[in-house]
Amino acid sequence: QVQLVQSGAEVKRPGSSVKVSCKASGGSFSTDAISWVRQAPGQGLEWIGGIIPLLETAHYTQRFQGRLTITADESTSTAYLEVNSLRSDDTAVYFCARGTNTWRGETWGQGTRVTVTS
Amino acid sequence: DIQMTQSPSTLSASVGDRVTITCRASQSISSWLAWYQQKPGKAPNLLIYEASSLESGIPSRFSGSGSGTEFTLTISSLQPDDFATYYCQQYDSFPYTFGQGTKLEIK
Repeated sequence: QVQLVQSGAEVKRPGSSVKVSCKASGGSFSTDAISWVRQAPGQGLEWIGGIIPLLETAHYTQRFQGRLTITADESTSTAYLEVNSLRSDDTAVYFCARGTNTWRGETWGQGTRVTVTS
Repeated sequence: DIQMTQSPSTLSASVGDRVTITCRASQSISSWLAWYQQKPGKAPNLLIYEASSLESGIPSRFSGSGSGTEFTLTISSLQPDDFATYYCQQYDSFPYTFGQGTKLEIK
């Protein structure tokens, strides 16, 4: 059974960084496409970036370019999303999702709530 | 970036109704379109992929159609569990944008 388990909720100060993890079980992590999607309070879904671990190259939505870093550790089947220079409007639930040979989100993590507050 | 526009934003319907949600892409995405259902406080759940293929385990009352720039999600006979928010997503080219969502409410 393919599963994704994300790290717990975070509260951060403006200007700081946060790193969210997404541990996969089942399936073939190295060749799966891992996406990161965020959802601000009361808002819709926003695809912010993704990676295929075997290829190592991450893709980002342009407006986040420079503030996001997506990585993957094949040895632990874990993907990571790091957001730098946090602002209050980065407050959101961050989801990871995976697809086998596809970028659609076939399996989702439970979400990680990140709150940015002074 | 490819813009995805859903309509309507909100839809009020009753149990047993047939409902249709539309999703338009700002340029052709062939059939690289997915539909998701999301309930409050939960992760999205994949319903339809490649515009018209039903994901395993999803009831057959859900169906999708379309190609190019215009797509629809149809629920043939609404059940109480179907009241949720629905999103389309294109996965033709980066970034893989979502529609703004359609909230399906009980009339």
